[in-house]
Amino acid sequence: AQTVTQSQPEMSVQEAETVTLSCTYDTSESDYYLFWYKQPPSRQMILVIRQEAYKQQNATENRFSVNFQKAAKSFSLKISDSQLGDAAMYFCAYRSAVLRAGNNRKLIWGLGTSLAVNP
Amino acid sequence: DGGITQSPKYLFRKEGQNVTLSCEQNLNHDAMYWYRQDPGQGLRLIYYSQIVNDFQKGDIAEGYSVSREKKESFPLTVTSAQKNPTAFYLCASSLWASGSQETQYFGPGTRLLVL
Repeated sequence: AQTVTQSQPEMSVQEAETVTLSCTYDTSESDYYLFWYKQPPSRQMILVIRQEAYKQQNATENRFSVNFQKAAKSFSLKISDSQLGDAAMYFCAYRSAVLRAGNNRKLIWGLGTSLAVNP
Repeated sequence: DGGITQSPKYLFRKEGQNVTLSCEQNLNHDAMYWYRQDPGQGLRLIYYSQIVNDFQKGDIAEGYSVSREKKESFPLTVTSAQKNPTAFYLCASSLWASGSQETQYFGPGTRLLVL
């Protein structure tokens, strides 16, 4: 079974600085998708960035980028020029790309990293 | 505006009562999902539906029921059989297709509290 581990329960960063959140996963599959979601105090889950495992190029969305290391099964999120609005829980999630019996396309979630941004 | 709406924002349940959480989407998504979030735990899948009139149990379906009579709507009923219903409930939707188009998007959630 696949698992997702976020080893940093809490992190903090100074405004305008850069921070990296870690995520590792365990899978025997070669085709899958990885996601970072943000959950601010409002508690709505917001997609930050996604990565297809077959793509070697790291995904980037404005100030957010990932470092995807497939062999190491690592998927870290880098936030550049941190802003106060980036303060939130960040969740890493995995989804298989293989359709088979019993595969319900579910997302497998890490436990999250709480990010504080200091002014 | 396209999006996912959930209501109510807060819901209180009395002992032995069934309550229903609403989830509506106007994204023309095929699939819809219900997750439960508890403090210190990742999201856990309750039920999901790929198409109208069809749904499948997730990892923690006991004490919950769903229906999918319309593409846009996927209500979740928390029955009296669910002994520990206090949690934050998130509804999501996605296309049902191969590839990254299947990314799940979430509603704002419903907080359920037991009186």
